[in-house]
Amino acid sequence: AQKITQTQPGMFVQEKEAVTLDCTYDTSDPSYGLFWYKQPSSGEMIFLIYQGSYDQQNATEGRYSLNFQKARKSANLVISASQLGDSAMYFCAMRGRGLGTDKLIFGTGTRLQVFP
Amino acid sequence: DVKVTQSSRYLVKRTGEKVFLECVQDMDHENMFWYRQDPGLGLRLIYFSYDVKMKEKGDIPEGYSVSREKKERFSLILESASTNQTSMYLCASTRTGGEYQPQHFGDGTRLSIL
Repeated sequence: AQKITQTQPGMFVQEKEAVTLDCTYDTSDPSYGLFWYKQPSSGEMIFLIYQGSYDQQNATEGRYSLNFQKARKSANLVISASQLGDSAMYFCAMRGRGLGTDKLIFGTGTRLQVFP
Repeated sequence: DVKVTQSSRYLVKRTGEKVFLECVQDMDHENMFWYRQDPGLGLRLIYFSYDVKMKEKGDIPEGYSVSREKKERFSLILESASTNQTSMYLCASTRTGGEYQPQHFGDGTRLSIL
């Protein structure tokens, strides 16, 4: 069965420090994509970063990077130099052919709070 | 940039009412989705559509229906609203093909059923 697991309901980090948000996944698809989204308190879901299962290098987008360990089936999000505006819910999601028709499945999310 | 617009940010309705949530996207995406978000449960798929007039049930379709008469518009309908349908509703769209395509979301509708 396809599944995304986020085991950290909440995380705290001090401003300017780095933080890692955990995500593990389960799939039998040979080809799949992994996504991270940010949801501020205002509610909108913001796409942050993508990692493909065949990508040789870890994805990076500005202060966001994805620590992809395929053998361990983990895709952790690393936020460097945290800012107060990074306080939000963060969701890990997966898309693969086994899910059919371009669907995503989501983890339950991690609430990140950045303090001064 | 892709724009997904949901008709209301906040909505309050009464038990038994028929409720319509509207979603419009401007990027000619084939696929559109309706999710429900509840604390501790993440996002759960209600219905999705991969073409005009085509729809498929997601994980929690009971009590909901959908309509897609035009490619850019996807409506979620609560036939007879109940208090357990109080939730945050999110609409999303994406292009067909390729595991690298992200879904683009609207701002969400916080629906309260009294």
